[in-house]
Amino acid sequence: GQQLNQSPQSMFIQEGEDVSMNCTSSSIFNTWLWYKQDPGEGPVLLIALYKAGELTSNGRLTAQFGITRKDSFLNISASIPSDVGIYFCAGRLTSGTYKYIFGTGTRLKVLA
Amino acid sequence: NAGVMQNPRHLVRRRGQEARLRCSPMKGHSHVYWYRQLPEEGLKFMVYLQKENIIDESGMPKERFSAEFPKEGPSILRIQQVVRGDSAAYFCASSYNLSTDTQYFGPGTRLTVL
Repeated sequence: GQQLNQSPQSMFIQEGEDVSMNCTSSSIFNTWLWYKQDPGEGPVLLIALYKAGELTSNGRLTAQFGITRKDSFLNISASIPSDVGIYFCAGRLTSGTYKYIFGTGTRLKVLA
Repeated sequence: NAGVMQNPRHLVRRRGQEARLRCSPMKGHSHVYWYRQLPEEGLKFMVYLQKENIIDESGMPKERFSAEFPKEGPSILRIQQVVRGDSAAYFCASSYNLSTDTQYFGPGTRLTVL
């Protein structure tokens, strides 16, 4: 089946540092979503991207839809302790399916 | 404006019993999606439903699993004769209009099979 490679799998960073994570695939996507999931909760939508090259910000978060449509990036600036959690990318294929393929997640831990 | 509601939040079943998971989409949303998440893994698509119709069930196991979204009431994911491998978190998401591509998730139901 289709897979999304999400990296890094986990990371420890110091409070105040910037964070970058990405999702890549061999398939072309027409939509990218980025979610954050806290322990015991459902994913919460952070940013949605609909066009190749699109760059969208939500507060300290910035995400980009890769030009090749096979990847997406999420950056978090000046991280704070509440940024701790699991970040998932989700892509929807251009083939007309309605389901999203999720990455395996990036587990972020912020050291105060 | 209430978000996606799921209940129960936690469900414990013995092997062979039935599990019923409920999902009420956000107000005005008519598209419902069910996902399964195993520990340390991402979410895996199971089924996509609109009111009274199953649109895509390609991610659902062929046996023991069924889903419905009746005209009135919540969407139900039903697992018959549960086995230990069914233990997972099951998430429901809803969207208003497919073209908006935005899915909002509920808090999930964590199923434990003893």
